[in-house]
Amino acid sequence: QQQVKQSPQSLIVQKGGISIINCAYENTAFDYFPWYQQFPGKGPALLIAIRPDVSEKKEGRFTISFNKSAKQFSLHIMDSQPGDSATYFCAASVSGSARQLTFGSGTQLTVLP
Amino acid sequence: EAQVTQNPRYLITVTGKKLTVTCSQNMNHEYMSWYRQDPGLGLRQIYYSMNVEVTDKGDVPEGYKVSRKEKRNFPLILESPSPNQTSLYFCASSPTNSYPNEQFFGPGTRLTVL
Repeated sequence: QQQVKQSPQSLIVQKGGISIINCAYENTAFDYFPWYQQFPGKGPALLIAIRPDVSEKKEGRFTISFNKSAKQFSLHIMDSQPGDSATYFCAASVSGSARQLTFGSGTQLTVLP
Repeated sequence: EAQVTQNPRYLITVTGKKLTVTCSQNMNHEYMSWYRQDPGLGLRQIYYSMNVEVTDKGDVPEGYKVSRKEKRNFPLILESPSPNQTSLYFCASSPTNSYPNEQFFGPGTRLTVL
């Protein structure tokens, strides 16, 4: 049972465009929603994270939008650059849970020059 | 440099031949985990450890063993590997399970079981 569903599986965007990746979750106990970025040959690395007490968090060109009632959250990459080409994973966890993160299936983003 | 290291990075083996993938972190983190990454399935947790001598199963533990005898090391053991364990494996550590529990990942081990 996949508790965090991520879409699309792949995404191609022109340089300067907006990339949008969506995730939906089922477990209402989740209270921490990070996004991880993975470049080829590397391990994932934390990009940005949000807690459900806010609806949006922005760090530079990256924004998380969170809709608690719909149990959905999304990553927006503004002014997408070729260097943003990577695989992006959404994740969710329950604070204090030893199980830690449940990941989505990943989105392979390609930004064309 | 703060990091999680894994060895080996690449491994090709045959069915049934026991192997160990090592993982070590130098950040004094309490929590460590093993994940496998498969296309279309994302990262799935195999085992995790909250501290020395404390380990527990994740989502896909069948066919794997772990141990945590020292805080810094968390080896993954495949006692009788099978082809369905061909995958990309990541070790991760985090300082706590409380917010924000950022996980720091190693570089990965690509395992092929023939």
